[in-house]
Amino acid sequence: QSALTQPASVSGSPGQSITISCTGTSSDVGGYDFVSWYQQFPGKAPKLIIYEVSDRPSGVSNRFSGSKSGNTASLTISGLQAEDEADYYCSSYTSLDTYVFGTGTKVTVL
Amino acid sequence: QVHLVESGGGVVQPGTSLRLSCAGSEFTFSSYALHWVRQAPGKGLEWVAVISYDGHKVYYADSVRGRFTISRDNSRNTLYLQMSSLRVEDTAVYYCARASHDYGEACDYWGQGTLVTVSS
Repeated sequence: QSALTQPASVSGSPGQSITISCTGTSSDVGGYDFVSWYQQFPGKAPKLIIYEVSDRPSGVSNRFSGSKSGNTASLTISGLQAEDEADYYCSSYTSLDTYVFGTGTKVTVL
Repeated sequence: QVHLVESGGGVVQPGTSLRLSCAGSEFTFSSYALHWVRQAPGKGLEWVAVISYDGHKVYYADSVRGRFTISRDNSRNTLYLQMSSLRVEDTAVYYCARASHDYGEACDYWGQGTLVTVSS
């Protein structure tokens, strides 16, 4: 049950697009479409922003989008805004009926 | 509005036990699977355990299997995490979270967390 691999940090200027990768194995990310993404601000609980690889819960900005290719899932934030500065985590269902989170990515808006 | 409220955290010594609770309200508690997720200070999220809506199926992370027990009392709308043989590395904020029917069983609502500190 190793954590999924994410870059420690990603940065971008306002208005730009950034992409966060999430790499797992064929037993988790690559094997199922149950990949989700969470946004977390310091001292706060995580918030679901993407589920089933690419779907957005109601109320989540369409600037957030998700995709997957092989064992790697990705979160793209378009039109980056200052309010997007937060930590982001991917998560996947696994072949063992368990779940695993990614290592987390800190997004900085320059 | 869905509410999940954790309680039971505190400071304990290594090797001891502690039970966390998570009270749910404003939704049909007995219809949803529930998770425990933890976050060590300054670290990332770590999935801990999940329990099915009826309590019949439970699954654990390798790091806690055999030491932690997840359970629920649907008559009390409460989720539990019984933690034993606690280690320093179990120090974390523990969140309970609801698995959504609408969102592919992803966690759509989270509690505010309860801090467990394991220290001698």
